[in-house]
Amino acid sequence: DAEITQSPRHKITETGRQVTLACHQTWNHNNMFWYRQDLGHGLRLIHYSYGVQDTNKGEVSDGYSVSRSNTEDLPLTLESAASSQTSVYFCASSESTGGPKDYEQYFGPGTRLTVT
Amino acid sequence: AQKVTQAQTEISVVEKEDVTLDCVYETRDTTYYLFWYKQPPSGELVFLIRRNSFDEQNEISGRYSWNFQKSTSSFNFTITASQVVDSAVYFCALSEAGSGYSTLTFGKGTMLLVSP
Repeated sequence: DAEITQSPRHKITETGRQVTLACHQTWNHNNMFWYRQDLGHGLRLIHYSYGVQDTNKGEVSDGYSVSRSNTEDLPLTLESAASSQTSVYFCASSESTGGPKDYEQYFGPGTRLTVT
Repeated sequence: AQKVTQAQTEISVVEKEDVTLDCVYETRDTTYYLFWYKQPPSGELVFLIRRNSFDEQNEISGRYSWNFQKSTSSFNFTITASQVVDSAVYFCALSEAGSGYSTLTFGKGTMLLVSP
C-alpha cells in the first residue's frame, strides 16, 4: 500500500547542530508539505513543494530549508538547531490533478525533535 | 487572512453521550475547502472529511456528522453515542482555492476525552 514515512521518529540534538528530517511518500504525489505542531498553536506550515525543484516558504520558515530532487522525498533541514525548534514535525502530501482532492493532505506519523 | 477558531480547548464526556465540536472560520475567498482531522493519542493525523464551499449539505458517516453553515461560517462536527476510541484531538482546517494548495490553515484543536 502507498504510504508516507518519516525518519527518525524521535531525535534529540544539541543547539547549533544541523539536523535533517526525512520524509518519503510512495503515492507519487507532486505536492509535499512540512508542518510543526506545538501546544497551543495547532499545526503551522514551514515549507512546501509543488514538484521536483520547486520549494516555497510557509508561515514559519525561518531557520529551516527544504530541497526536492525527486517526487518521493522532501527532507527538512534545520541549519542550526535552536531550542525554539523543539517540536513535533509532520510531513504531508497531496495530489495535483486539478480537482478537489488536491486539497486533501495525508500526513506522515511525525518526528518528535528535542533540541537541548 | 484566513483563520480557523476552535473555541473549545477540551471537552470531557461519558461514553454514549453525543458531543459537538465547534469550528468557526474566516475567509475572503468564495471558493474554499473545510476539513476535519483526528489525532489520536498515538499521534498520527487522520483525515476525516473535506467539504467545499458550494456544498452546504450536511454529511453523515456512521456516528459522525458534519453541519456546514455558510451563514454563520461554521463547520461543526458531531459524534453520536461517543466511544472511548473517539478520545483524540480534533482539528478543523481551511484551504482557500485561490491561494493554492499550501494554505491549509488549522485551528488549535479540541481535545476530546471520552470516559467509560
